[in-house]
Parts: sequence; C-alpha cells; structure tokens
Amino acid sequence: GENVEQHPSTLSVQEGDSAVIKCTYSDSASNYFPWYKQELGKRPQLIIDIRSNVGEKKDQRIAVTLNKTAKHFSLHITETQPEDSAVYFCAASRAGGGNKLTFGTGTQLKVEL
Amino acid sequence: EAQVTQNPRYLITVTGKKLTVTCSQNMNHEYMSWYRQDPGLGLRQIYYSMNVEVTDKGDVPEGYKVSRKEKRNFPLILESPSPNQTSLYFCASSPNSNAETQYFGPGTRLLVL
Repeated sequence: GENVEQHPSTLSVQEGDSAVIKCTYSDSASNYFPWYKQELGKRPQLIIDIRSNVGEKKDQRIAVTLNKTAKHFSLHITETQPEDSAVYFCAASRAGGGNKLTFGTGTQLKVEL
Repeated sequence: EAQVTQNPRYLITVTGKKLTVTCSQNMNHEYMSWYRQDPGLGLRQIYYSMNVEVTDKGDVPEGYKVSRKEKRNFPLILESPSPNQTSLYFCASSPNSNAETQYFGPGTRLLVL
C-alpha cells in the first residue's frame, strides 16, 4: 500500500519568513496530493491540493510543488503570520484505484513574533 | 448550514462494551470516510464509502465496522472496544465519489478503559 513520509515533524520560523514542508510517497500510481491544516483543538481543513498532471499550484501565500519522478511534493508558505501556526498534513491518493487517502504524520509549524 | 456532524463528541467506555459513533452530512456527498488520529501517527483511514452500500477498508480497519444504508449517514461501530482504540476519531465527506476535497466533522474523542 501507499506510504507517505513527512518532514520535518516540527518547524519554527520567524514571522515573515518562509516555511517549507516536504513529503514523499511510495505508490507511483498516486495522482492526488492534498494538504490539510489543523489548528489546535480543531478539525483538519483542506488548504490546497494538486493533481499529478500539474507541477505547481499557488493560492496567495501558499504553493505546492510536485515532482512525480522523485515521488515527492512540498508545501511552501511565504510571509508567514502567527495564524499560520498549526499542524499541517500531507496526503496521497490514487483516485480510481481504491480511493484510499494516506496521510503523512504531520508537521507542527510555529510562527514566532 | 452545510456540515458534517458526529455524535457523541466525547465518550468514555469500558473494554468490550459495543458502541456506535454516528456521522451525518447534509451536503448530499457521495464519499464518506472515517479516520483516527493518534499522536505521532497522524491521521489514518479506517473505512471509506464511495456511495450507498459501497464500503471498503482503509489502512487500519481491524476492530471496526461501518455501514452505509443512506447517503447522509455513515456510522462507525466498535463491536468490542479495546484500550488500543482510544483515539480521536474524525468523519469526513467529499462531494466526489473519491477522496478529493474532504470536509471533516468536529471529531469524537474516545477513551476505552
């Protein structure tokens, strides 16, 4: 089955700096890669996703890049703000091939003032 | 208001006492899923359903049952709970018949003594 590894497990940045979280996946047939943000005590919420036919996707301060050859994808947050502090999860799915969603173990991002 | 609801939100039980956690969505979504969240392990998929009467195992299905008799409801059943099922459980739904763009419920915190 699919295995998703996520690094780092914790990340501390100064407000205004950029943050990068990286994930690798094992199943070359995976074709959908979402990122979820979970604030303390809250439910996970989808913040951005990318499909395997696209190499990069941006949404304001958030971007995701995908390297299918190397089987890794990354979340980039620019101009970080205190409200970006949360746990971020990457995930991978093979739509049409079982529709499971396998998550990484999460990255605790702390944005310091 | 479009939402995914779960009941109960908190539950303390004893080993072996059957319990059901309900999940309901009012968005006419086809795909529904259950996850458990444990420290250091991230979110792990238990079961998912692509439509009424269509269910399949996720990565950690042992000790759980599900049913999908109606589109809006997807209950999670623990026939004989054990302490290793102590966890935070999330239900989620998606408008597609796949794992994309999932909306999570508020979570159910379960303690099995």
